[in-house]
Amino acid sequence: AQTVTQSQPEMSVQEAETVTLSCTYDTSENNYYLFWYKQPPSRQMILVIRQEAYKQQNATENRFSVNFQKAAKSFSLKISDSQLGDTAMYFCAFMKALNSGGSNYKLTFGKGTLLTVNP
Amino acid sequence: DVKVTQSSRYLVKRTGEKVFLECVQDMDHENMFWYRQDPGLGLRLIYFSYDVKMKEKGDIPEGYSVSREKKERFSLILESASTNQTSMYLCASSLKYVGQGGKLFYEQYFGPGTRLTVT
Repeated sequence: AQTVTQSQPEMSVQEAETVTLSCTYDTSENNYYLFWYKQPPSRQMILVIRQEAYKQQNATENRFSVNFQKAAKSFSLKISDSQLGDTAMYFCAFMKALNSGGSNYKLTFGKGTLLTVNP
Repeated sequence: DVKVTQSSRYLVKRTGEKVFLECVQDMDHENMFWYRQDPGLGLRLIYFSYDVKMKEKGDIPEGYSVSREKKERFSLILESASTNQTSMYLCASSLKYVGQGGKLFYEQYFGPGTRLTVT
């Protein structure tokens, strides 16, 4: 079974600064996908960024980027120029195919990191 | 935009009651999921469905059942609610996406959640 570990239950950062959230995972799979989801207070969970394990290049989405280290099984999220609206719970998630046909997929989530951006 | 809706934002039920949580998505997604979210535990998968009338157990199916009679609707049923089922319940759906090399992966879209209290 896969496990996802987020070692930082809470973090805080000043507005406009950079912060990195850590995530490690354990799997014997070679092909899989990794995600960071964001859950703002009292709002819906949304996808922030995704990374395919077969890609060596780190994914980026505007101010969000990842540092994907496949051998180390590490997948950290960097938020640059932090904004007040980045305050949220962030979840790291892992996905592999459930069967050889790849017709359905299951997400395994970490326990989350609560990020607070201070003015 | 993909829309996933849940029948209630807040629900209070008594121990032993039968409880129905409804989820509807409007984008013809094949996959639908039910998670529960608890502080310090992250999201845990209860059940998922990859087609009408098809279902598979997730990590914590005990005490729950599901129903998917129509593609757009996925119901979570608590046959006899207990206090340890007090939690936030999140529904999600996903769209098939063909990636590089024929690999398939799914981005999950979440509903707003139902906070269930069992007294």
